[in-house]
Amino acid sequence: TQLLEQSPQFLSIQEGENLTVYCNSSSVFSSLQWYRQEPGEGPVLLVTVVTGGEVKKLKRLTFQFGDARKDSSLHITAAQPGDTGLYLCAGFHFNTDKLIFGTGTRLQVFP
Amino acid sequence: DAGVIQSPRHEVTEMGQEVTLRCKPISGHNSLFWYRQTMMRGLELLIYFNNNVPIDDSGMPEDRFSAKMPNASFSTLKIQPSEPRDSAVYFCASSLARLAGNYNEQFFGPGTRLTVL
Repeated sequence: TQLLEQSPQFLSIQEGENLTVYCNSSSVFSSLQWYRQEPGEGPVLLVTVVTGGEVKKLKRLTFQFGDARKDSSLHITAAQPGDTGLYLCAGFHFNTDKLIFGTGTRLQVFP
Repeated sequence: DAGVIQSPRHEVTEMGQEVTLRCKPISGHNSLFWYRQTMMRGLELLIYFNNNVPIDDSGMPEDRFSAKMPNASFSTLKIQPSEPRDSAVYFCASSLARLAGNYNEQFFGPGTRLTVL
């Protein structure tokens, strides 16, 4: 079974702080996605990274795909209370539509 | 535009009863996924369909679980008989699978919270 381990599992910070969430696996993925899930809702896609070493920015969020396509990181600059939620990384098996989701990082940003 | 629709949103049942969860994917999408989310195991893929055909059901926990997709606009996940350990939030997601590449965006429904007493 391919596993995607996320760290930290929980993160509680003050508004304005920076943070990084890590997503690691021993397996290679063809591409990797990051989702955010709010209470009572389904996950919503934030970004897809495809190329090893790729960096994508979405406002204050920066996503990076590892060179070997086994790991990824999400960095949030100047976190806001609206960033609160469960962050999930998810990797695609090659040549399938099957997504493997990570263990999740629950972020709480206090005003 | 309507997103993925799931019903019911909440279901409370007693052990041994049959439970049927329903999903209407986004119109035009050709792939449908059923997931289960728990605190202990996170978000797990149970089964997925492409063009109404089951492609991978390796995540279905046991024979008590079954899923059908009779047409492009409707799918069901059935648990019979239900057990307390089946308590979880069940999500349905749909996507438009492209011919090239496999990084399609999955659109999730709001989920069905199932409690088996």
